[in-house]
Amino acid sequence: QQQVKQSPQSLIVQKGGISIINCAYENTAFDYFPWYQQFPGKGPALLIAIRPDVSEKKEGRFTISFNKSAKQFSLHIMDSQPGDSATYFCAASPPWGRGGSQGNLIFGKGTKLSVKP
Amino acid sequence: GAGVSQSPSNKVTEKGKDVELRCDPISGHTALYWYRQSLGQGLEFLIYFQGNSAPDKSGLPSDRFSAERTGGSVSTLTIQRTQQEDSAVYLCASSLTRGIRGYTFGSGTRLTVV
Repeated sequence: QQQVKQSPQSLIVQKGGISIINCAYENTAFDYFPWYQQFPGKGPALLIAIRPDVSEKKEGRFTISFNKSAKQFSLHIMDSQPGDSATYFCAASPPWGRGGSQGNLIFGKGTKLSVKP
Repeated sequence: GAGVSQSPSNKVTEKGKDVELRCDPISGHTALYWYRQSLGQGLEFLIYFQGNSAPDKSGLPSDRFSAERTGGSVSTLTIQRTQQEDSAVYLCASSLTRGIRGYTFGSGTRLTVV
C-alpha cells in the first residue's frame, strides 16, 4: 500500500521557470512532511519541511504548499537553476508512539527534475 | 564524525553469497535507520534502531535480511544468500533522537548481485 503518492515522475523546466512537484497522502495521522533532494551518487538531503498547522512555508526559492483538507502538499522551486537538477522526494510520518508508530518517514517514489540552461 | 559514513560504496556479489553493509552514524545520534532505494521505487524502510531499545524490524523484506547495532553506534546490515532482486542502493540515516524528525543520510552502498 503506497501511502504517499508523488507526481510527476520526471520534470523538465527551463532555467528561470517554476518547478512544481505534487504529493498526496492517505493517513490523516501524518503530522510531518519533509522534502528531500538527492544528487546522483549521494544520499537524500533534507531540503524543507512543514507541519499541518501551516499552509505554506518558504525558504529561499523553495516553498511548500500544504492543503490539509485535500491531503496534498507540493514543492515549488522558483527561478529554477541547472544546479537544482536532482531527484526530489516527498515524505510523511506519523507522530512517534501513535498506533505503535516509530515515526518512520514514508517516502514517495521521487521526481527527477532537469533544469535546462 | 561529520556525516553518516557507509561502506563499501559499491559492492558486486554473486547470487547466493552473503554480504555485510556497514553504517557509521553521526556521533551522538541515537536513532539509526536503514532504507533501500530501488530504481523507480523510492525509499523503502527496512529497520530502525533507537538507543538500547529493541529494533523495529517491520520493514525487512525476508528473513535473509538482518541488522545489528553494536554499542549504540555502528550498524551492520547483513543479506544472506543474495538474490538478483536484492540489487539496490542501501541507505543508512541517523538522527539525534527519535523526536527529531530530520534524518541525515549517508551516500549509500550500491549492491549489485550478478
